Amino acid sequence: EAGVAQSPRYKIIEKRQSVAFWCNPISGHATLYWYQQILGQGPKLLIQFQNNGVVDDSQLPKDRFSAERLKGVDSTLKIQPAKLEDSAVYLCASSSGQGGSHEQFFGPGTRLTVL
Amino acid sequence: DAKTTQPTSMDCAEGRAANLPCNHSTISGNEYVYWYRQIHSQGPQYIIHGLKNNETNEMASLIITEDRKSSTLILPHATLRDTAVYYCIVRSANQAGTALIFGKGTTLSVSS
Repeated sequence: EAGVAQSPRYKIIEKRQSVAFWCNPISGHATLYWYQQILGQGPKLLIQFQNNGVVDDSQLPKDRFSAERLKGVDSTLKIQPAKLEDSAVYLCASSSGQGGSHEQFFGPGTRLTVL
Repeated sequence: DAKTTQPTSMDCAEGRAANLPCNHSTISGNEYVYWYRQIHSQGPQYIIHGLKNNETNEMASLIITEDRKSSTLILPHATLRDTAVYYCIVRSANQAGTALIFGKGTTLSVSS
């Protein structure tokens, strides 16, 4: 079974520039999550999708962050404009949500550096 | 509102058992204990979860105290590849589809 794919793996930009990350979840997984992980901390949820609908975006800084999952499969996360404090690893995860499954599968993440 | 308390770091010799403790004194009756780990430069990986009975799988064993206020993750024969940050997470069954709330976890260093 193929895992969660993310690209790019690394990105370096200057502040006020824009950037986009892409995630392809495990085939058939209805639920998709984007987490932000700042160095030395555990991941923190940014947004959760169920199919192509948003379930929870309460912690997404909506003035600069946006995300979409148009066809209920792939997802993109965008930051515009980026700030220095956005330097972090952005993790995508998916879960099937079926049969009481509790497990979330994570991708390798995209490491963003904002200069 | 952290629900779990874990030591910041632990060391273990290769081949020995690694016992990682977690305190969750405010756990509710319908809340599960989950363990994930994160190897350097990778995303978190599910290890095991349990409600009140001890659980074992190919990766680890989970021992939950009778009062459920604490638990221990046991890696029976630690290898260098087990060096990672280990997260103990508490969540209820009806939160199975919700996001995980991570603390800072325990950094386990396995050395030869």
